[in-house]
Amino acid sequence: LAKTTQPISMDSYEGQEVNITCSHNNIATNDYITWYQQFPSQGPRFIIQGYKTKVTNEVASLFIPADRKSSTLSLPRVSLSDTAVYYCLVGAGGSARQLTFGSGTQLTVLP
Amino acid sequence: DAGVIQSPRHEVTEMGQEVTLRCKPISGHDYLFWYRQTMMRGLELLIYFNNNVPIDDSGMPEDRFSAKMPNASFSTLKIQPSEPRDSAVYFCASSWGATGTNSPLHFGNGTRLTVT
Repeated sequence: LAKTTQPISMDSYEGQEVNITCSHNNIATNDYITWYQQFPSQGPRFIIQGYKTKVTNEVASLFIPADRKSSTLSLPRVSLSDTAVYYCLVGAGGSARQLTFGSGTQLTVLP
Repeated sequence: DAGVIQSPRHEVTEMGQEVTLRCKPISGHDYLFWYRQTMMRGLELLIYFNNNVPIDDSGMPEDRFSAKMPNASFSTLKIQPSEPRDSAVYFCASSWGATGTNSPLHFGNGTRLTVT
């Protein structure tokens, strides 16, 4: 299984850009990298997914270096409502057993 | 799209009782997952189905846990008998196609189970 390592917590202020890095040293060739956001009392919600280089959507950007052993979720101009736990998930289509969530990063946005 | 629907949202029961959690996946999704979340262990994958067939139940903690998917629109997770250590939030998620490629997981809002 491709294990992921993320910081346990991060603090930021409103309006700042936040970058959360996930380490996945033993990522397999056919593994994609997916990030989820979870608010209290809710299930995780899909944010963004990528395989290599850079992916951007209306919510975030995902940067993946050439060796794919890490990835960085970038949240532009965060607001208080971005306070949540963010999970990096690495897994392949071959076996959903590999869809193992790590401990996540608690992001706290301060006013 | 109503999303993944779980019921009940909260369940409080006494040790030894049977508990049944229910899930309705998103229509058209062919994968269904049951996760359990606790402070100590985080999100754990218990079992998943593909086209209503259980594929991997290696995450099911013990024989007291069982899951079924009688059709594409309904799944249950049953605990019999329940124990206090089963207290957790149980999530159901669904996805379409080869999960992990272009098919993100869609989670329900979970069932918070408390066993006293």
